[in-house]
Amino acid sequence: GNSVTQMEGPVTLSEEAFLTINCTYTATGYPSLFWYVQYPGEGLQLLLKATKADDKGSNKGFEATYRKETTSFHLEKGSVQVSDSAVYFCALPFSGGYNKLIFGAGTRLAVHP
Amino acid sequence: GAVVSQHPSRVICKSGTSVKIECRSLDFQATTMFWYRQFPKQSLMLMATSNEGSKATYEQGVEKDKFLINHASLTLSTLTVTSAHPEDSSFYICSASSSGGNEQFFGPGTRLTVL
Repeated sequence: GNSVTQMEGPVTLSEEAFLTINCTYTATGYPSLFWYVQYPGEGLQLLLKATKADDKGSNKGFEATYRKETTSFHLEKGSVQVSDSAVYFCALPFSGGYNKLIFGAGTRLAVHP
Repeated sequence: GAVVSQHPSRVICKSGTSVKIECRSLDFQATTMFWYRQFPKQSLMLMATSNEGSKATYEQGVEKDKFLINHASLTLSTLTVTSAHPEDSSFYICSASSSGGNEQFFGPGTRLTVL
């Protein structure tokens, strides 16, 4: 079945640093890929998504490109802010075309001024 | 965007009691709702999927008699933790999707503490 592997955190950065959070997947076919963000004490918010190979999802300065050659969907941001401190989850649907999602382990990001 | 609410946001209860958590889609019809639990500093674990008017489908290892799920309308699903014990303490998150939609919209979560 489908699965997702996410780099372990925590990731600690200074404000304005470059961010990369790695995510790789195994999947049947080419499912949509998602990045979700969870701020402290809150539920999840969809950050960005890509629905097919070579698509680039982007939002709030974050980007991720769906790369089928490397089965990756790495999250990047050129200049992080303190307000970006949160936990980031990579996700994709269960195999079989269901709407159920499989989440990566989550990567905690802490940005310091 | 689509909004999903959960109530209560926090609940503390005594061991042996039952707790009901509500999940509502505020501005769309949620034909499918999902319930997750999340332990501290861990990922989300899907507990069950519920379709409006049908019995919930539980993931392997989730006790359906302990975690009762009802999805009686297109805007409301409830999760009842029966005879709660301290090991049930967790963050419970629901999400909802509409018919034909492939995106889930998440509620803010409910933190359950069982004493």
